[in-house]
Amino acid sequence: QKEVEQDPGPLSVPEGAIVSLNCTYSNSAFQYFMWYRQYSRKGPELLMYTYSSGNKEDGRFTAQVDKSSKYISLFIRDSQPSDSATYLCAMRVSGGSNYKLTFGKGTLLTVNP
Amino acid sequence: DGGITQSPKYLFRKEGQNVTLSCEQNLNHDAMYWYRQDPGQGLRLIYYSQIVNDFQKGDIAEGYSVSREKKESFPLTVTSAQKNPTAFYLCASSSQGDQPQHFGDGTRLSIL
Repeated sequence: QKEVEQDPGPLSVPEGAIVSLNCTYSNSAFQYFMWYRQYSRKGPELLMYTYSSGNKEDGRFTAQVDKSSKYISLFIRDSQPSDSATYLCAMRVSGGSNYKLTFGKGTLLTVNP
Repeated sequence: DGGITQSPKYLFRKEGQNVTLSCEQNLNHDAMYWYRQDPGQGLRLIYYSQIVNDFQKGDIAEGYSVSREKKESFPLTVTSAQKNPTAFYLCASSSQGDQPQHFGDGTRLSIL
């Protein structure tokens, strides 16, 4: 079983739709959870950064972490064509000197005008 | 503007040749990282450095080398021992503690 599983898509939605992106993981030691957005031929851009379980909202984006189910989600409300990109989940353990991130393979999202 | 600069954007390597990818950051971050991204795969860690003059191997360090002589610079050399070097290479940095990593815009390496 891979440490982090992410549905690669592709996912295609109409403009204005609510998008749900998900990752599951197997390592219960993960404490920090991130979502990155990556446009074609660009580096990943940090969207959301959360610690432990719960929800975090930033504008049209909401990140959810359910540690009991080892499941994280990113919701995008009122999706726009500019949201078309690959979305990567990433996670890491807490503390110490181990900064290593474990990434999902990414979900390719297309928002159609 | 603070950020991470990777150069060049595109690089071509001949068989048997070593090439060096540049990564510079002006964010005053202590830690720096190199990742490799292949189509359909997640990012894989090559090397990371938490402090000047110190670095550790990541998951796929074979065929690569790094140095960290200055806080703001973390160059990656792809040696001739790396048999499948064609990939998108990403550099990242972070401050100490539980802070997130931020990425540069990558270098795409291809074989001639």
